[in-house]
Amino acid sequence: NAGVTQTPKFQVLKTGQSMTLQCAQDMNHEYMSWYRQDPGMGLRLIHYSVGAGITDQGEVPNGYNVSRSTTEDFPLRLLSAAPSQTSVYFCASSFARQAPGGYTFGSGTRLTVV
Amino acid sequence: DAKTTQPNSMESNEEEPVHLPCNHSTISGTDYIHWYRQLPSQGPEYVIHGLTSNVNNRMASLAIAEDRKSSTLILHRATLRDAAVYYCILRDTGGGSNYKLTFGKGTLLTVNP
Repeated sequence: NAGVTQTPKFQVLKTGQSMTLQCAQDMNHEYMSWYRQDPGMGLRLIHYSVGAGITDQGEVPNGYNVSRSTTEDFPLRLLSAAPSQTSVYFCASSFARQAPGGYTFGSGTRLTVV
Repeated sequence: DAKTTQPNSMESNEEEPVHLPCNHSTISGTDYIHWYRQLPSQGPEYVIHGLTSNVNNRMASLAIAEDRKSSTLILHRATLRDAAVYYCILRDTGGGSNYKLTFGKGTLLTVNP
């Protein structure tokens, strides 16, 4: 099925460990982004990409890295996990600015850092 | 980013219409009004968007005030599956940071059987 696929769905990390959250879309969307959602809060933008080879920081980028080597994939790397990064992470994609349609979101990765 | 204001929560009865309001008094001419909803334990889901005219789709209707400073998402017959947090978001298509969606806390809609 077309859409945004996130893996893994759940992950427990120890403080200081690193890991990569995977995000892939098959809709040929130019824009991709990562959000985090803490309990009772709205989503906050971590990083985004307007196309392959182009990334930029969002509202809360510290502690995270991204790269965009292909149109389809936009992995999020946690460099050294901290308990403050315990959250639900959502990847989203959209067509370019000339098409003001909606974003498609993945089903999320629930991350716990202990 | 232009800001939106929504009530924290609303309640409705099943099979009745629901009108979810959103104020966006600082909206610019190139801002589209987007609505998303997030069901429990799921990612946000696109509902509808519009610029100036009222819009209808299979999920909902969007009524936009003539001065565009407010809008209302209308669910014509609420079902238990419509219980979710509804987000009203402005998306700028005039250049700059229009790829960003800035989420507020949204409106928690409770649907009573």
